[in-house]
Amino acid sequence: AQKVTQAQTEISVVEKEDVTLDCVYETRDTTYYLFWYKQPPSGELVFLIRRNSFDEQNEISGRYSWNFQKSTSSFNFTITASQVVDSAVYFCALSDNTGGFKTIFGAGTRLFVKA
Amino acid sequence: DTAVSQTPKYLVTQMGNDKSIKCEQNLGHDTMYWYKQDSKKFLKIMFSYNNKELIINETVPNRFSPKSPDKAHLNLHINSLELGDSAVYFCASSQDRGEQSSGNTIYFGEGSWLTVV
Repeated sequence: AQKVTQAQTEISVVEKEDVTLDCVYETRDTTYYLFWYKQPPSGELVFLIRRNSFDEQNEISGRYSWNFQKSTSSFNFTITASQVVDSAVYFCALSDNTGGFKTIFGAGTRLFVKA
Repeated sequence: DTAVSQTPKYLVTQMGNDKSIKCEQNLGHDTMYWYKQDSKKFLKIMFSYNNKELIINETVPNRFSPKSPDKAHLNLHINSLELGDSAVYFCASSQDRGEQSSGNTIYFGEGSWLTVV
């Protein structure tokens, strides 16, 4: 079964707080890709990061960091020192060999960052 | 330059009408998609084409018909529009094989907001 769960529907933080968005996935494949996308209020979907299943190194990009743990099937996303511009819906996604590397998305987590 | 472009961006139409959304990508990718995002923000794949060949066709009503004249274009035609078709439709592309592979990374267009009244 191919599934992505983002249990947090909405998160509200105050600017400069750190926030972690959770993502848990299910797949039977050993080769797969995980992604995070950002959808700001303007509506476009912006690619943030891709990880393949053989690379468990955590990644940091500025205030963004990602923690990939195969043991718990999780790919969590942390924003450090959040800013109002981080307010958006964030989607975690999984692409595996089910149905020819179809990419499915979690339900999204809406992040509100208040000034 | 816009990598994945789709038109129109906004479309308001009456029930029963037929409408089309056009999509073009200039990334040289070999795979294109249509995704539907409903009012609750849930993103669901509808179709996928690889080099003009349909490879993914999810449970979508027959009223929706994709057409790919070449690998840079994937249009979506919708017949007999219904209220429930109101959504945002995203076109996307990826390069899944070869030296230019994007590793299944999907790049999205800006979305087409369809409202059926």
